[in-house]
Amino acid sequence: AQSVTQLDSHVSVSEGTPVLLRCNYSSSYSPSLFWYVQHPNKGLQLLLKYTSAATLVKGINGFEAEFKKSETSFHLTKPSAHMSDAAEYFCVVSVRTGRRALTFGSGTRLQVQP
Amino acid sequence: EAQVTQNPRYLITVTGKKLTVTCSQNMNHEYMSWYRQDPGLGLRQIYYSMNVEVTDKGDVPEGYKVSRKEKRNFPLILESPSPNQTSLYFCASSRLADTYEQYFGPGTRLTVT
Repeated sequence: AQSVTQLDSHVSVSEGTPVLLRCNYSSSYSPSLFWYVQHPNKGLQLLLKYTSAATLVKGINGFEAEFKKSETSFHLTKPSAHMSDAAEYFCVVSVRTGRRALTFGSGTRLQVQP
Repeated sequence: EAQVTQNPRYLITVTGKKLTVTCSQNMNHEYMSWYRQDPGLGLRQIYYSMNVEVTDKGDVPEGYKVSRKEKRNFPLILESPSPNQTSLYFCASSRLADTYEQYFGPGTRLTVT
């Protein structure tokens, strides 16, 4: 079985300051890990993915995440927040066995203050 | 353009009135899935299909049915909707070999009164 815990339900930063959204995962198998973003009243957009290649993964819009197996973490970071980054972010784990569902975290709402 | 489409995008209905939400993909994907999104719970899988005529339950299948008669279509059926099925629904698809990366439709917001 796999699970995802997003450690903060709500994060607020000022524009131009760094962003850190925290995610811990649990998986019986080698996982694939993703971050998705959902802007208000929009669908889901894939930000980045880790599939057992490089542990530091770069995504769109300046976001990146580092896979740390020893800490079972996959935190999302961005050096400088922009107003357009305000959205809900989901950490997702997937394994290539069984029913192959994506397991979503409960989400972190990112607020960016001017 | 490769995409997953859902219809309708918004639906308000009454308790007990059967409804169908359609999902179609144009990428020749074998794997398709339905998720529902509720505040504070992320997305949870309702049903999935690994190919035509092959469907199975996800985490929250109660009150839903699906069918997969064609590869491109995967409709979600609510035979007798109830207010607790008010939610945002997403259809997703992928190649069977790459189910770790699923492509999502735009979502259907359903309200059952």
